[in-house]
Amino acid sequence: QVQLVQSGAEVKEPGASVKVSCRTSGYIFTANYIHWVRQARGQGLEWMGWINPNNGATNYAQKFQGRVTMTRDTSISTAYMEVNSLRSDDTAVYYCARDQSVNYYGSGSHWGQGTLVTVSS
Amino acid sequence: SYELTQPPSVSVSPGQTARITCSGDVLSKQYAYWYQQKAGQAPVLVTYKDRERPSGIPERISGSSSGTTVTLTISGVLAEDEADYYCQSADSSATFVIFGGGTKLTVL
Repeated sequence: QVQLVQSGAEVKEPGASVKVSCRTSGYIFTANYIHWVRQARGQGLEWMGWINPNNGATNYAQKFQGRVTMTRDTSISTAYMEVNSLRSDDTAVYYCARDQSVNYYGSGSHWGQGTLVTVSS
Repeated sequence: SYELTQPPSVSVSPGQTARITCSGDVLSKQYAYWYQQKAGQAPVLVTYKDRERPSGIPERISGSSSGTTVTLTISGVLAEDEADYYCQSADSSATFVIFGGGTKLTVL
């Protein structure tokens, strides 16, 4: 079965960087885009961008351009999302999600369990 | 900017029908998707391409579309349906993904 397993919770100081991993299994990693979505406590879902694991192409929401980098390692079927220059309002649960279709629907059919990133001094 | 507007909350009694709307100009051009998110859990896709249902989603959950509004309908609501529901679509060029603000469904 399709599984996405994310790395553990992180606590970072303002100005630091954080890199979250998303290890996938149960399907061909390069066949489906991976989305990253975050959710601050008590707030809604916020799409951050996607990566095409087949060629490494990325597409970031305008809000995150220049501060977020998405990468992948096809040898271990894992996607990564790094946020730089962390601020307190980056405190959130970060999710990876596999796109529903090999033809790209823009929807997430399978989600990781989420990674809590806390930014605090 | 592209926006999807949902009511903050909807309340229904068990066995009744819940309808959650999502409005936005882009919905006349792009498909809508709905997610269910229970407290402390990751979202679950419950409908896609306006009205299709992924495998494992009960038939009492359905989606529909009319113009710039899409609706998630849950028939015969159960206590287990209490959750936050989010609509999702894309901008007119399908470049960016956008989410609605979410609707909290309360089962009285």
